[in-house]
Amino acid sequence: ETGVTQSPTHLIKTRGQQVTLRCSSQSGHNTVSWYQQALGQGPQFIFQYYREEENGRGNFPPRFSGLQFPNYSSELNVNALELDDSALYLCASSLWGNQPQHFGDGTRLSIL
Amino acid sequence: QQQVKQSPQSLIVQKGGISIINCAYENTAFDYFPWYQQFPGKGPALLIAIRPDVSEKKEGRFTISFNKSAKQFSLHIMDSQPGDSATYFCAASKPGGGTSYGKLTFGQGTILTVHP
Repeated sequence: ETGVTQSPTHLIKTRGQQVTLRCSSQSGHNTVSWYQQALGQGPQFIFQYYREEENGRGNFPPRFSGLQFPNYSSELNVNALELDDSALYLCASSLWGNQPQHFGDGTRLSIL
Repeated sequence: QQQVKQSPQSLIVQKGGISIINCAYENTAFDYFPWYQQFPGKGPALLIAIRPDVSEKKEGRFTISFNKSAKQFSLHIMDSQPGDSATYFCAASKPGGGTSYGKLTFGQGTILTVHP
C-alpha cells in the first residue's frame, strides 16, 4: 500500500510569486484535504477535494486554489504569495465521508 | 474561534512514567476524535482515535479517555519511552459524507520530551 506523497519537499519563493504543490493520495483513497501548519501550531484546514470538486473550505482567501485529477491526485496553488504564507503544507487522503485521514510529510514553503 | 483547546503546551516525563495530554472541545456535533503524533520534518501520523459511543480505547501503551458530558478527551501514554518524544495533536471532526465533509480541527499541540 502506497502512502501519501508530496512534492517538492522544500520550496523558496519571494513575495508576489505563485506556487504549485503536488500530492498523490494513498492507494484506494478518493478524497484529498489540504492543511497549512505554521511553525509551532496545529494544522489548519484549507480545503477538501472529492470527485474533482472542492467540497468545503476553511478560512483561506481565494488566492488559495486547488485541483483534483481523475487519479485522485491533487494540486494546491497559491497566488500572490505573502510572507505569512511561509508554512508546512500538508496533504491528507481518505475515503469520502470516512476517517481516518492519512498525512504526507508536507512541503515546507518559505517566502522571502 | 478555537474549537479544540489542548494542554499542556509542553510536557517533560521520565522514562517509564505516564504522559497525559488533555483536550477540550466546544462543538457537540463532533463525532470523531483522533490523536496524531508528529516528529520533526514529518507529517502527522495517526496514533489512536475514538468515537463518542465509548469512554475509553486502548491500543498498546496508548489510551484515549473520553468524557462526553464534559466535552473533554485525553491521551495517556503508559511506560513512556525516549522514542515517544514528539509533538502530539488532538483533533476533532464532524460526520462526513453527503453534503458534509470531514475536516479535522486540531488543537495547538503538546511537545512531549521523555528523558532517559
